[in-house]
Amino acid sequence: KAGVTQTPRYLIKTRGQQVTLSCSPISGHRSVSWYQQTPGQGLQFLFEYFSETQRNKGNFPGRFSGRQFSNSRSEMNVSTLELGDSALYLCASSSLLGGGNTEAFFGQGTRLTVV
Amino acid sequence: LAKTTQPISMDSYEGQEVNITCSHNNIATNDYITWYQQFPSQGPRFIIQGYKTKVTNEVASLFIPADRKSSTLSLPRVSLSDTAVYYCLVALQGGKLIFGQGTELSVKP
Repeated sequence: KAGVTQTPRYLIKTRGQQVTLSCSPISGHRSVSWYQQTPGQGLQFLFEYFSETQRNKGNFPGRFSGRQFSNSRSEMNVSTLELGDSALYLCASSSLLGGGNTEAFFGQGTRLTVV
Repeated sequence: LAKTTQPISMDSYEGQEVNITCSHNNIATNDYITWYQQFPSQGPRFIIQGYKTKVTNEVASLFIPADRKSSTLSLPRVSLSDTAVYYCLVALQGGKLIFGQGTELSVKP
């Protein structure tokens, strides 16, 4: 079956702009999580959606937001972009909400560069 | 929230067995231990998961002692393509994965 698909793969934006990233989870998966990866901070959890509801949220400012649609596809939005938002944004899908024995599948990520 | 500690880097040679140990002293009773592999500019890839004793799949083995305060990922006969960062995680808390710094494995010819 198809894996997790993230679009676009690469993006260049200027400071102050906003950006929307998209994630299509594996068919049948209802949980979608977002992560930011930077060389300095590593992989950091942004938020998780399950059945169109945000279930968990990481320690990021309100400029970072997301949503999930009825078909489980998810979007992440970053407003008023800052240079420090340059990162690889990763989406992961899983079949269950939490649970210790749930395997998460990651997409290839979207490389965002803010100039 | 369980925190993991693992070596920052390791070197190995092709054909050798590599063991990466992770410490998780305050692991909760219901927590599972999961290992992910990540190549540059790609998303992490699930390798193996276990709760106790030993788990083996086609790519790795995971050894977990009875006290579950540590675990060891074993990669048999590594190749150059196993050069990657390996992350040890405990607990999926509502889908929230907490990644540490990971272990950067370098396999040399």
